[in-house]
Amino acid sequence: QSALTQPASVSGSPGQSITISCTGTSSDVGKYNYVSWYQQNPGKAPKLMIYDVSNRPSGVSNRFSGSKSGNTASLTISGLQAEDEADYYCSSYTSSSTLVFGGGTKLTVL
Amino acid sequence: EVQLLESGGGLEQPGGSLRLSCTASGFTFNTYAMSWVRQAPGKGLEWVSGISGSGGSTFYADSVKGRFTISRDNSKNTLYLQMQNLRAEDTAVYYCAKVEEQWLVLGNQFDYWGQGTLVTVSS
Repeated sequence: QSALTQPASVSGSPGQSITISCTGTSSDVGKYNYVSWYQQNPGKAPKLMIYDVSNRPSGVSNRFSGSKSGNTASLTISGLQAEDEADYYCSSYTSSSTLVFGGGTKLTVL
Repeated sequence: EVQLLESGGGLEQPGGSLRLSCTASGFTFNTYAMSWVRQAPGKGLEWVSGISGSGGSTFYADSVKGRFTISRDNSKNTLYLQMQNLRAEDTAVYYCAKVEEQWLVLGNQFDYWGQGTLVTVSS
């Protein structure tokens, strides 16, 4: 159950778009369309941003989108805003009937 | 309004035991799978364990299998995590989390989370 691989940090300027990758294996990300993305602010519980690869829960801005290709899922944030600065985590279901998270990516809005 | 309230955290010695509770309200508890997710200080999220709505199916991360037991009492709308043989590496904030979709046995789309309860394992 190795953690999914995410970049430690990404950054962008307001108004720009950024993409955070999440690389797994053919036993998790590559096998199932059960990838979720979470946003976490310091000292707070995570917030669901994307589920089932590309679905947005109600109330989440359409600036957030998800996709997947092979063993890698991606979260794209367009029209970057200062309030988007946070930690982001991906998660996937695995063939072992477990769940696995990525190591997390710190997004800095310059 | 959905609310999840964890309790039971605290300081415990290595090899000791603790039982965490998560009291739920605002939704039909027995129709939703639940999970425990932990976060060590300054570290990322780690899924610990999950349980189906009926309680009939349980799932564990390798790191806790054989030491932790997840359960639920649907009559009390409460989720539990019994932790035994605690290790220093179990030190973390433990969150309970509700799966977004009804009737799933194990889901990873958690739409509601508790505030977390801190477990510290140290001598």
